[in-house]
Amino acid sequence: DTGVSQDPRHKITKRGQNVTFRCDPISEHNRLYWYRQTLGQGPEFLTYFQNEAQLEKSRLLSDRFSAERPKGSFSTLEIQRTEQGDSAMYLCASSLAYGDTQYFGPGTRLTVL
Amino acid sequence: AQKITQTQPGMFVQEKEAVTLDCTYDTSDPSYGLFWYKQPSSGEMIFLIYQGSYDQQNATEGRYSLNFQKARKSANLVISASQLGDSAMYFCAIYAGNNRKLIWGLGTSLGVNP
Repeated sequence: DTGVSQDPRHKITKRGQNVTFRCDPISEHNRLYWYRQTLGQGPEFLTYFQNEAQLEKSRLLSDRFSAERPKGSFSTLEIQRTEQGDSAMYLCASSLAYGDTQYFGPGTRLTVL
Repeated sequence: AQKITQTQPGMFVQEKEAVTLDCTYDTSDPSYGLFWYKQPSSGEMIFLIYQGSYDQQNATEGRYSLNFQKARKSANLVISASQLGDSAMYFCAIYAGNNRKLIWGLGTSLGVNP
């Protein structure tokens, strides 16, 4: 059983550009989470999907951020008009059922110049 | 609201010795779950151990055990027989709300000396 995968692992972009990250959860995991982690901090919750439905969004997720999970499989997180403050590690996690352990992917490290 | 406090920003342990990483939590939910994750310098968050609020016994997973003291709202991680590969950041987390999102502490940096 393969783990959670994320692509790309690293992304360097210029301020104002759009970026998109992909997350492939463990197969048959119906819950998918996105977190953001800045240097020296613990992760912060961004958004949550159950199957294809986006059920919760953090206030951290400004209008420039959008996430999708078409068909309840992989998920994408898009950031429009990136700002230097968006520089962080973006972590994706999936879990099988209510309350089960979340398993994380390797993360996408974003640097905005 | 849920909150996790990890009061040890960094610590060192000698190889083969045991070490305890502290975690206290706050929640008003009667049902909750506590997790410990390891984050090496590569950045991936690796699940170590889970403790449910109604579990009668402390959780154990190989060299990892959780010292769960419900009345004191503490869930300390004990690593026995430390290895050089244990050097990493360690995070305590609690799940919150119906969607079970995780609320995290600031982490503890552990260094293992040979």
